[in-house]
Amino acid sequence: EAEVAQSPRYKITEKSQAVAFWCDPISGHATLYWYRQILGQGPELLVQFQDESVVDDSQLPKDRFSAERLKGVDSTLKIQPAELGDSAMYLCASSPWSGGLTDTQYFGPGTRLTVL
Amino acid sequence: GESVGLHLPTLSVQEGDNSIINCAYSNSASDYFIWYKQESGKGPQFIIDIRSNMDKRQGQRVTVLLNKTVKHLSLQIAATQPGDSAVYFCAEMFSGGYNKLIFGAGTRLAVHP
Repeated sequence: EAEVAQSPRYKITEKSQAVAFWCDPISGHATLYWYRQILGQGPELLVQFQDESVVDDSQLPKDRFSAERLKGVDSTLKIQPAELGDSAMYLCASSPWSGGLTDTQYFGPGTRLTVL
Repeated sequence: GESVGLHLPTLSVQEGDNSIINCAYSNSASDYFIWYKQESGKGPQFIIDIRSNMDKRQGQRVTVLLNKTVKHLSLQIAATQPGDSAVYFCAEMFSGGYNKLIFGAGTRLAVHP
């Protein structure tokens, strides 16, 4: 069964350092999402790509976060510099784009970030 | 603003009992709802969905009920098993634009033998 891949699974860094997360969506899925999930809360959308284009990054802290999906396949989310409040689970999801309402989002296992 | 929330943060049930997890949503314009299950250390896993033109949808051991009058969503799990122990999230989707999914805070389901 096809899955969304993410790496690394765990990342520990010191504040002010740069970190990067990688996501490989399910093959053929045009839409890719990055979410942040704070412990005990639901995921919150950071950025959404349709192919290689950003269609929603309204919740992305652009002073320190950046995301790219250059070839419309895999994607990288970067934080520079990391802050203590960035400690969270970073989830990637993908969905096929048929223009339909019920394009299910499939999630990867996430990257657990701890900022010291 | 729009939000999706849950009535109970933790639900404890005995193995074999039926479980009901509730969710309230605030945006009457939402037209698609999804339940996800998240086990510790894993990403959310799709369970079942329902569109706003439906009141009920059944899956394998799970049923989702939608009451648009009071903006309420529930997930029923029949014959709850230890493997059902997880955090359950409801989420609502806005079909205008690019299908943005808004998650609630989650309910932890604990199944006791």
